[in-house]
Order: sequence, then C-alpha cells, then structure tokens
Amino acid sequence: DQQVKQNSPSLSVQEGRISILNCDYTNSMFDYFLWYKKYPAEGPTFLISISSIKDKNEDGRFTVFLNKSAKHLSLHMVPSQPRDPAVYFCAATLNRDDKIIFGKGTRLHILP
Amino acid sequence: KAGVTQTPRYLIKTRGQQVTLSCSPISGHRSVSWYQQTPGQGLQFLFEYFSETQRNKGNFPGRFSGRQFSNSRSEMNVSTLELGDSALYLCASSTRTGVNYGYTFGSGTRLTVV
Repeated sequence: DQQVKQNSPSLSVQEGRISILNCDYTNSMFDYFLWYKKYPAEGPTFLISISSIKDKNEDGRFTVFLNKSAKHLSLHMVPSQPRDPAVYFCAATLNRDDKIIFGKGTRLHILP
Repeated sequence: KAGVTQTPRYLIKTRGQQVTLSCSPISGHRSVSWYQQTPGQGLQFLFEYFSETQRNKGNFPGRFSGRQFSNSRSEMNVSTLELGDSALYLCASSTRTGVNYGYTFGSGTRLTVV
C-alpha cells in the first residue's frame, strides 16, 4: 500500500515557467514532509522540507505547500531552469519514527 | 567533509548467489538506512541501523539482511539472489538528532542479477 503517492510519472514545463510537482499521502500521522531531487547514477539530494504544523515553506526558487485536510502537498519551482530535469521524490516521516517513506517520483522535463 | 560512500558502484551476480554491499556514512552520523530503487516501485525502505541496532525494517523477505559496525559503517547482504533483486541500492546516513529528518544519500550500488 503506497502511503506517499506521486500520481504523475512525468511532467514537462517550459524553461522560465513555474514547475508544480504534486504529492498525496494517506497517513494523517506523518509529521514531516520532504522533497528530494535525483539525477541518474547519483543518490537523491535534499531540496526542502515542511513540518506538519505549517502550510508553507520557502527556500529560494522552491516553495512547498501543505494542505493537511486534503492530505496533499506540492513543490513549486520558479523559474524552471535547464539544470532542473531530474526525478523529484516526495517523502514523509511518521511521528517519532525517522523512517522516511518515499513516493515513486516524478520525472521533470524542461522544454526550451 | 566526505560524503556517504558506497562500494562497489556496480555489481553483476548470478541467480542463487549472495552479495554484500558496503556503506560508509558521513563522519559523525550514527544512523544508516538502506533503500532499494527500481523503475516501477521508486525508493523502497529496507532497514535502518542506529548504534549497531536495527531500528526499523521494511517489507522485504528475510533474504535481505544488514548490520552496522561500531564505526557506524554498514553492510547489506542479499542471499539467494533472484532476477527481481536487480536494482539500485542506496544508503543514506543522518545524525537523527533534533528535528533534522533529512538524509544524505550515497551514489548507490547498481546490482544486476543474471
């Protein structure tokens, strides 16, 4: 049973526009959410996180929004850049448990 | 500061064999977690070790096992390899202190079972 779901396997966005990556989760006990970026042949790298007590967190080009009532979070990247193509993973942790559960990822393509 | 080091980077094994993968965490990190990445399933949690003790375990068969040494280095073993075990195996380390839930991942070991 997939507790963290990324329903779009891929997304194409024009360079300079906003990229919005979506993620849904099923477990209301998750207390922390994270986004990772992964290039081929490399391990995932941490991008941004948000605590379940917040609904928004910003860091440079990245903003993560959390809608707890809908069990939905999204990652906004603006402007999209040529170096952004990668697989983006949404992840979450359970209360008092540091195990991080990942979604299946969304592959982002940037169009010139 | 050195990152998370995984060895070997690539490995080819035959069905039925066993394999051992190694992970050296960032200095000072006492938690090591292992993940399996396959195209269809994304990143799936295998297990986590902290101070030589297994803290969490994912839903993998007993053929998958691990251990952690006193210097925090960790090994993962897969016995009786199956074709479906072909995957990228990622190791991640963290301090597990405070509210930092973030992991630092290694580049992974690409295992191919033929």
